[in-house]
Amino acid sequence: GENVEQHPSTLSVQEGDSAVIKCTYSDSASNYFPWYKQELGKRPQLIIDIRSNVGEKKDQRIAVTLNKTAKHFSLHITETQPEDSAVYFCAASRGDAGKSTFGDGTTLTVKP
Amino acid sequence: DTAVSQTPKYLVTQMGNDKSIKCEQNLGHDTMYWYKQDSKKFLKIMFSYNNKELIINETVPNRFSPKSPDKAHLNLHINSLELGDSAVYFCASSQGDEKLFFGSGTQLSVL
Repeated sequence: GENVEQHPSTLSVQEGDSAVIKCTYSDSASNYFPWYKQELGKRPQLIIDIRSNVGEKKDQRIAVTLNKTAKHFSLHITETQPEDSAVYFCAASRGDAGKSTFGDGTTLTVKP
Repeated sequence: DTAVSQTPKYLVTQMGNDKSIKCEQNLGHDTMYWYKQDSKKFLKIMFSYNNKELIINETVPNRFSPKSPDKAHLNLHINSLELGDSAVYFCASSQGDEKLFFGSGTQLSVL
């Protein structure tokens, strides 16, 4: 089955700095890569996703890059703000049964 | 208006009891899931149903039994609760392999 590794497990940055979270996956058939943000005590919510036919996608301050050859993808957050503090999960899916395998999460802390 | 709703939000119970968590989605999605989030925040899939049919059953003790009366509902019944069952349980839904919409979670505490 799919195995997703996510690094780092914790990340602390100063407000205004950039943050990068990296994930690797094992199943070359995976073709859908979402990122979820979970604020303290809340549900995970999708913030950005990318499919395997695209190398990069951007939405305002967040961007995701995908390297299919190396089987890794990354989340980039620029100009971080305190409200970006949360746990971020990457996931990978083959898209055939609607099952996403999640990484173990990264706790991002943005210090004002 | 809530897309995926689950009840109860909190569940405190004694070891050995049986309890149920209910989930409903009004998005018209064809796939529903149960995820378990432990104290380390790891999110692990437990079950997945597609149009009322079980399609994924991860290594979960058979004390956990999902039931889907229709494609908008997926309930989770847990028998003989154990201390290790304490976690947050999230229901979710999706249309095919599209993004997951999560419910607000049920915090289960087994004493």
